Amino acid sequence: GAGVSQSPSNKVTEKGKDVELRCDPISGHTALYWYRQSLGQGLEFLIYFQGNSAPDKSGLPSDRFSAERTGGSVSTLTIQRTQQEDSAVYLCASSLTSGGKETQYFGPGTRLLVL
Amino acid sequence: GQNIDQPTEMTATEGAIVQINCTYQTSGFNGLFWYQQHAGEAPTFLSYNVLDGLEEKGRFSSFLSRSKGYSYLLLKELQMKDSASYLCAVRRTGFQKLVFGTGTRLLVSP
Repeated sequence: GAGVSQSPSNKVTEKGKDVELRCDPISGHTALYWYRQSLGQGLEFLIYFQGNSAPDKSGLPSDRFSAERTGGSVSTLTIQRTQQEDSAVYLCASSLTSGGKETQYFGPGTRLLVL
Repeated sequence: GQNIDQPTEMTATEGAIVQINCTYQTSGFNGLFWYQQHAGEAPTFLSYNVLDGLEEKGRFSSFLSRSKGYSYLLLKELQMKDSASYLCAVRRTGFQKLVFGTGTRLLVSP
């Protein structure tokens, strides 16, 4: 594919429901990040996957948030029992490191609105 | 912990040069990133600095001084399409997460 893709592009859900967000990274990129960006705010790191290593989950805000990456490619971010404060744009990025330099490419994001 | 500071907003004129500064405090530095983000869009990677000095890429250059905890993004020959937010992000040694500043909103006027 040409770039990182995410689905859905928009999601409206009711408080208390579970949601699943998907990220398809660029083929061959071993590293994958999830971030979220609330309105008018900077990006907040959520989780990082690198190959078969254990993910860095240090940015997940609560145990309602989880993510997995199957086969080292597609990743899903799951938010259980959504709350209104979960409303944000959820961004996925994949990266490639070459010659010691890393380049990250972002997907278009999923805009989540919890009513 | 980490602290990243950027100016909130800057204005400049088409064709001019603008420098966006970023200062950071971190224990164990392992790279600084600059991103461009147009309103309503995802960020676009601009540059990555891990060693001191200037990295030039077309109209955009990024500078890093690790001893001063300081970086800047230099935009030359400004165009209207350069109006966007510019995000500075820092990585700490031993961590993969990036910590982002709140971004600098640049407005380029004719």
